[in-house]
Amino acid sequence: DAGVTQSPTHLIKTRGQHVTLRCSPISGHKSVSWYQQVLGQGPQFIFQYYEKEERGRGNFPDRFSARQFPNYSSELNVNALLLGDSALYLCASSPRDRGFGSAETQYFGPGTRLLVL
Amino acid sequence: AQSVTQLDSHVSVSEGTPVLLRCNYSSSYSPSLFWYVQHPNKGLQLLLKYTSAATLVKGINGFEAEFKKSETSFHLTKPSAHMSDAAEYFCVVSEPYSSASKIIFGSGTRLSIRP
Repeated sequence: DAGVTQSPTHLIKTRGQHVTLRCSPISGHKSVSWYQQVLGQGPQFIFQYYEKEERGRGNFPDRFSARQFPNYSSELNVNALLLGDSALYLCASSPRDRGFGSAETQYFGPGTRLLVL
Repeated sequence: AQSVTQLDSHVSVSEGTPVLLRCNYSSSYSPSLFWYVQHPNKGLQLLLKYTSAATLVKGINGFEAEFKKSETSFHLTKPSAHMSDAAEYFCVVSEPYSSASKIIFGSGTRLSIRP
């Protein structure tokens, strides 16, 4: 079975530009979460979507937005890029909404490495 | 408030010797605790998780962790290190029936294995 896939794998942008990152969850998984991992740190939660609805949002500015499509794939959009947005962006999927219990295991994709110049 | 602290940013051991990666947590409730491993240029992989069942949890690749409520610890161990264990390890805490924003990753421990 295919795992979580993300595209593109690498991306270089300049300050002020916009970026769209894409994620396809494991087949049958309805929940998708996004994380930002800055070099040398642990991942930080950005968003979670379940059944196309936003279920949680981390402490990120409104420049960050996301959506989930009917096939449960997801996009993360970042506007007005800053140098500090350079990071590895991870997508994770799980079968159910995390609100059903925190023991839900998340399955991570390989990430998209974004460099903002 | 919920938090997680990985006590060592870098651990180096010789191949064949025991591994100990330390994690302390803080939570207002009975949390779920996870250990994930991240190999270079690879996604995060679940090693094991604690969900209020047995306090000694066995995971993949010979790793195990013991939940100690009195010490608020969830240390990861392996009896004998292998070269392939070299990676970044993250301890994660999650509170029950909480929003997704209540998932907290530690800052990570880089494990190096000496031949």
